[in-house]
Amino acid sequence: DTAVSQTPKYLVTQMGNDKSIKCEQNLGHDTMYWYKQDSKKFLKIMFSYNNKELIINETVPNRFSPKSPDKAHLNLHINSLELGDSAVYFCASSLRLAARYNEQFFGPGTRLTVL
Amino acid sequence: GQQLNQSPQSMFIQEGEDVSMNCTSSSIFNTWLWYKQDPGEGPVLLIALYKAGELTSNGRLTAQFGITRKDSFLNISASIPSDVGIYFCAGASSPARNNNDMRFGAGTRLTVKP
Repeated sequence: DTAVSQTPKYLVTQMGNDKSIKCEQNLGHDTMYWYKQDSKKFLKIMFSYNNKELIINETVPNRFSPKSPDKAHLNLHINSLELGDSAVYFCASSLRLAARYNEQFFGPGTRLTVL
Repeated sequence: GQQLNQSPQSMFIQEGEDVSMNCTSSSIFNTWLWYKQDPGEGPVLLIALYKAGELTSNGRLTAQFGITRKDSFLNISASIPSDVGIYFCAGASSPARNNNDMRFGAGTRLTVKP
């Protein structure tokens, strides 16, 4: 009965490769997010999707691209991986139309290591 | 985007002690949230506050939405070892529609000594 799930949990890859991280939520939420957490634990929002529409886009490199096949999924594609992309990536979701609209629920994270 | 000022950065306390941490911002928010992150896990929502002056409890946790709407605090009473983790505050507008409307603090790392 996992609410927000991500795969894989760990991802180790070589510089220059292309990789994807998947996220799914079964909460019936209408908005999903991707966050990057660096080694100092600082959380930075990267993207959010609302009803299949990208509504915010932090100044991240265009090597990162979110893909949402439906409102229960938001995948993160990363092209030409660089060393500085190593971090923990969190998916989150929320229900914008609900009274408690700003409450975001996070997945367990994907630890990406670029060698 | 602009960050919230969260303090303290870290705390080392004895089991049984009370804990207090806070967040301040130069911007007004309509929502304050407090999250806890355990090692290797994602942040878990502890308390959400939607009204200025609101005081809300969740077990041993108590959080308040500052009257000025620019600050919030979280108190933990009678700490126990499982309280160890990183606590994040977050502030948001109503509703958060762009990146700058939802901001996270840098976190307070709590260590509890048995």
